[in-house]
Formats: sequence, C-alpha cells, structure tokens
Amino acid sequence: EPEVTQTPSHQVTQMGQEVILRCVPISNHLYFYWYRQILGQKVEFLVSFYNNEISEKSEIFDDQFSVERPDGSNFTLKIRSTKLEDSAMYFCASRVTGGHEKLFFGSGTQLSVL
Amino acid sequence: DQQVKQNSPSLSVQEGRISILNCDYTNSMFDYFLWYKKYPAEGPTFLISISSIKDKNEDGRFTVFLNKSAKHLSLHIVPSQPGDSAVYFCAASVGGATNKLIFGTGTLLAVQP
Repeated sequence: EPEVTQTPSHQVTQMGQEVILRCVPISNHLYFYWYRQILGQKVEFLVSFYNNEISEKSEIFDDQFSVERPDGSNFTLKIRSTKLEDSAMYFCASRVTGGHEKLFFGSGTQLSVL
Repeated sequence: DQQVKQNSPSLSVQEGRISILNCDYTNSMFDYFLWYKKYPAEGPTFLISISSIKDKNEDGRFTVFLNKSAKHLSLHIVPSQPGDSAVYFCAASVGGATNKLIFGTGTLLAVQP
C-alpha cells in the first residue's frame, strides 16, 4: 500500500534554532496536512494545504510556522525559532480529495527542543 | 477545547472477548466520525468510519455505533485479538473544504492472550 514518508524520524535541536520537517505525501493525493501530538496529549491539527496554499490553520500555527511544497513531491513544515513547547511528534498526512476520504498518516518526526 | 472525549485512558480484555471503546463529543456540527489505531513509533492508521446519517457501520470484526442524541459513539471489536493491542483514537470532522479531524485523547487497548 502507498505510504506517506517522513524524515527525519527524530530531530533534536536547540531552542531558537530553525527546523524543517520533511514529508513525501502519496503521489496522487491533493490535500496535505500537518498534525502534532505532544507527549500524553491528543493529536492536534496544525494546518491544511491545497492547491499550493494554506486552506486552514489552527491557533497553534502562528508566525513561527510555515509550510511549503517546493516541488511536486515534498511537503515541508518549518519552525523558524523553536521553543521548548514545540517538542512533540509531528505527523504529516494526505488524502486524495477534500471530502471524507480517509486520511493517510506518516510515521511521524519526533522533535525534541532542548 | 474538549470537543471529542475518550474518558477511558486504557482498557484490558481477554483474547476472543468483545472490546468496547467509547467516545463522546460536544459539537453537534460534526458530520463524520472515524476511528484510528496507532502502534508505537507509527502514525495513526484508519480503521473505520461512520457518517452522521447512519447509526451503525460494520467492517469485519469492527463495528462502529453512533448515537447522535447522546453525542456518543463506540467501537466494538469482536473477537478481540492480541494484535489489536494499540491506542485507539476517535476523531470527528465538520466537513467543508479541509475536513480537519478533531481527535480524542485515545484509549490504550491491551488484549491479553
């Protein structure tokens, strides 16, 4: 079965540093998402992306966050100046359409901010 | 913001018995509900879903029941197998262009051999 691929699986960074989390969504999918899960908490929506622009973002997704689809295959999440509270598992997800098609998740990137 | 709640953080059942996982929601605008399963070090995997116009959906050993008046849904697994041991997340969506999912906190299911 096709997969959403995320790299790296683990990322350790110093507070204030920039990080880029990378994702390769499933090739024929058109809608892309980032979610995150802080340890012991629920999976939270961050942002959705369609047609090369953000279609919705949560209040968590402030000016420190940005997303990009730099080419036809990659989808990235950038955190410009990381904070301790950004430590979480970040999941990329994609679906074919914007309807109730099931969402496919990647295995996640565990981000640790020290 | 507790729009989707799973009040049982864990559940333990014997192999072969029924597992019942519960989920409550508060937002009456939700029109689609899903269950995802998550193993450690993996992303959530879609399990089963139900539209708000239905009250039951079945897929093999998995059945989801929706009680709209009570704003409650449940996932039944019959018979439970040790490989079902995982964290189960209930999720709901409002619809619209993005169909973002609102997740519950998850229930850790342990199926004992």
